[in-house]
Amino acid sequence: QVQLVQSGGEVKKPGSSVKVSCKTSGVTFSTNAISWIRQAPGQGLEWIGGIVPIFEKANYAQKFQGRVTITADKSTSTAYMEVGRLNAEDTAVYFCAREGRGGVNEYWGQGTLVTVSS
Amino acid sequence: DIQMTQSPSSLSASVGDRVTITCRAGQSISTDLNWYQQRPGKAPRLLIYDASSLQSGVPSRFSGSGSGAEFTLTITSLQPEDFATYYCQQSYRTPYTFGQGTKLEIK
Repeated sequence: QVQLVQSGGEVKKPGSSVKVSCKTSGVTFSTNAISWIRQAPGQGLEWIGGIVPIFEKANYAQKFQGRVTITADKSTSTAYMEVGRLNAEDTAVYFCAREGRGGVNEYWGQGTLVTVSS
Repeated sequence: DIQMTQSPSSLSASVGDRVTITCRAGQSISTDLNWYQQRPGKAPRLLIYDASSLQSGVPSRFSGSGSGAEFTLTITSLQPEDFATYYCQQSYRTPYTFGQGTKLEIK
């Protein structure tokens, strides 16, 4: 069956960076976009950006441009999201999702809690 | 960015009730509108895509309608497992924006 398995929770200091992974199985990886979406505690969902692995070019929300890097490794069917210059407002659960068509998030990872605290 | 506004923000209902949630876009988005259900501590689950298409495996008591800038999600005959938070999301243009959510609670 389709699985998106994310890396474990992280606790980071302000100003540092974090890299979260998302390993997919049971579904085509290269030709469908993987999106990253986050949810701050008690808040709604926020799209960060996405990548179609075969094209190797990521697309970001303006808010995250320059501070987030999304990559994909086709050989291991794994997507990555790195967030730099972390601050307390980046404390959130980060989800990866595999799109069916553009923007339609069919399958989701279990989420990774990133806590930013001094 | 396209703003998405849901109403109501919260809703109380009983098992067996019919409920409707509305989502309005800040501009026309054709039918590029999706609905997700999120239970506490879990990832969202796709229910409806393209405004009215039921995702595989989703019960038929869920339905969606609308086009342009106004959309609705209807749940008929509420079941205990339906009490959750529901989000709309536009997939018309990046950044793909979400509504603020509607929390459906048991009355």
